[in-house]
Amino acid sequence: DAGVIQSPRHEVTEMGQEVTLRCKPISGHDYLFWYRQTMMRGLELLIYFNNNVPIDDSGMPEDRFSAKMPNASFSTLKIQPSEPRDSAVYFCASSSGLAIHEQYFGPGTRLTVT
Amino acid sequence: GIQVEQSPPDLILQEGANSTLRCNFSDSVNNLQWFHQNPWGQLINLFYIPSGTKQNGRLSATTVATERYSLLYISSSQTTDSGVYFCAVIPGRGSTLGRLYFGRGTQLTVWP
Repeated sequence: DAGVIQSPRHEVTEMGQEVTLRCKPISGHDYLFWYRQTMMRGLELLIYFNNNVPIDDSGMPEDRFSAKMPNASFSTLKIQPSEPRDSAVYFCASSSGLAIHEQYFGPGTRLTVT
Repeated sequence: GIQVEQSPPDLILQEGANSTLRCNFSDSVNNLQWFHQNPWGQLINLFYIPSGTKQNGRLSATTVATERYSLLYISSSQTTDSGVYFCAVIPGRGSTLGRLYFGRGTQLTVWP
């Protein structure tokens, strides 16, 4: 099993630019999660999907952030326009069931906004 | 929301030493996981352990759900054990049933 795949691994962009992060969950998993890790706030959930439908987006910081899951094998997290405070590591995770089963994390995307 | 507290925040060990990391949580949970974040930033699953005891090599974990804590034991530590250990839980009730709540982690440094 290839595990959760994220791209790019590193992204450096200038303030105001659009950033798109990508995730491919483990095949067969029906839940997909986007987390963000910062020194100040630690690891926190941004949004999660079940069967490609967004279930809880209460962690999305503001309207500049949007996430989509057009099919079971692909999701994107977009930031437009990006700001320096968005600099963080963004993780994607997937699981095969809610609450009971383990969540498996991708390698993360380290985003730097200058 | 549920509170997850880990202790100690920092731990420095000599290679070969044993250690115990603790995770306290403030409410009932459906899911509890231990992760190791290695120096490259990757989150590695160690245990899925909402209750009971599990062992995997030099690592073992125990969760006492009724008393709302979990322990991670590392025996004969090695330099490759260095990194941050996170405890994360999913509450047993509430509207955010899919959300893993993470503790702040224990930063472990193992010296040769």
